[in-house]
Amino acid sequence: KQEVTQIPAALSVPEGENLVLNCSFTDSAIYNLQWFRQDPGKGLTSLLLIQSSQREQTSGRLNASLDKSSGRSTLYIAASQPGDSATYLCAVGTGWGNTPLVFGKGTRLSVIA
Amino acid sequence: DAGVIQSPRHEVTEMGQEVTLRCKPISGHDYLFWYRQTMMRGLELLIYFNNNVPIDDSGMPEDRFSAKMPNASFSTLKIQPSEPRDSAVYFCASSLWEGGKNIQYFGAGTRLSVL
Repeated sequence: KQEVTQIPAALSVPEGENLVLNCSFTDSAIYNLQWFRQDPGKGLTSLLLIQSSQREQTSGRLNASLDKSSGRSTLYIAASQPGDSATYLCAVGTGWGNTPLVFGKGTRLSVIA
Repeated sequence: DAGVIQSPRHEVTEMGQEVTLRCKPISGHDYLFWYRQTMMRGLELLIYFNNNVPIDDSGMPEDRFSAKMPNASFSTLKIQPSEPRDSAVYFCASSLWEGGKNIQYFGAGTRLSVL
């Protein structure tokens, strides 16, 4: 059974700092990996999707990397801003097609002005 | 498109009552997922549908839970009878298999409190 772990569970950084969020998964046979953002009382917003054949994806100040063989992914946030404060969730797609996602419990990020 | 729409946003009920959660997926999406989020267990899949047909309901915790998708634009998740341990945020998500990508779009969720 696929399990996804995110470390740390919570992180507080000063504004402007670069930071890395970590995600690990137990079964390397994944189809893709996604990073989501969740704001309090809101749904999830997809930030980046990395296919299993890819090594990284970038969107603005966000960069996600994937090392499938070691079962790890990182989300790098450059020049953090208070508006980045949210919970970041990592999720893996375990099969070809529109299969359900297996989620980590998230990292709660606070960026202090 | 307005995105995935869930109702109600909040539901407070007493133990033993029937609860019905509703979801309208994004038009044209052929997959619909129901997830539940708790502090202890995080986000977990309950059931998902493809073209209105249930594909995998192994995540439904017990017979008290049932889900239907009578047409492509509507799905319900019903709990009868409800129990305090059902208190959680229930999310609906929809997706369309396009270009080899599986991006799920989530609703804002229904926060259920069973007293």
